[in-house]
Amino acid sequence: KQEVTQIPAALSVPEGENLVLNCSFTDSAIYNLQWFRQDPGKGLTSLLLIQSSQREQTSGRLNASLDKSSGRSTLYIAASQPGDSATYLCAVVAGTALIFGKGTTLSVSS
Amino acid sequence: EAGVAQSPRYKIIEKRQSVAFWCNPISGHATLYWYQQILGQGPKLLIQFQNNGVVDDSQLPKDRFSAERLKGVDSTLKIQPAKLEDSAVYLCASSSLLRSLQLFFGSGTQLSVL
Repeated sequence: KQEVTQIPAALSVPEGENLVLNCSFTDSAIYNLQWFRQDPGKGLTSLLLIQSSQREQTSGRLNASLDKSSGRSTLYIAASQPGDSATYLCAVVAGTALIFGKGTTLSVSS
Repeated sequence: EAGVAQSPRYKIIEKRQSVAFWCNPISGHATLYWYQQILGQGPKLLIQFQNNGVVDDSQLPKDRFSAERLKGVDSTLKIQPAKLEDSAVYLCASSSLLRSLQLFFGSGTQLSVL
């Protein structure tokens, strides 16, 4: 059974700092991996999608990497801003649906 | 393009009562998902439809939860009777057949069972 773990559960950083969020999964037979952002009281917004054949994806200040062999992915956020404060969720595709981790709640202080 | 619409946004009920949630997916999206997100947890898939057929309902507590998507568009999720542990956010998502693994989520319905 696929399980997704995210570390740390919460993270507080000052504005401008670069940071890394971690995601690990138990079964390397994934179709793709996605990173989502969730603001309080809101739904999920897709940030980056990495196909199983890819190693990384970049969008603006965000860079996500995927290492299937070790069952790990990282989300790198450069030059963090207060507007980045949210919960970040990692999800892997197993079968036809997504399996999510519990998320990392990020707080960026100005 | 309109997003995934869900209603109501909030619902408070007593245990053993019934409740229903509604979802309208993005136009043209054949696949519709219902997820349950308990506070502090990641979303958990309850049921997946493709058009009006069920693809996966293995994690749906069928003794109390039911869902339908009669015309392959809108969907309703019902809980009857509700338990305290059903307190959660219920998220609806949809995807197209062409890009079946790119899900778009609604804002969710926050359910509190007292």
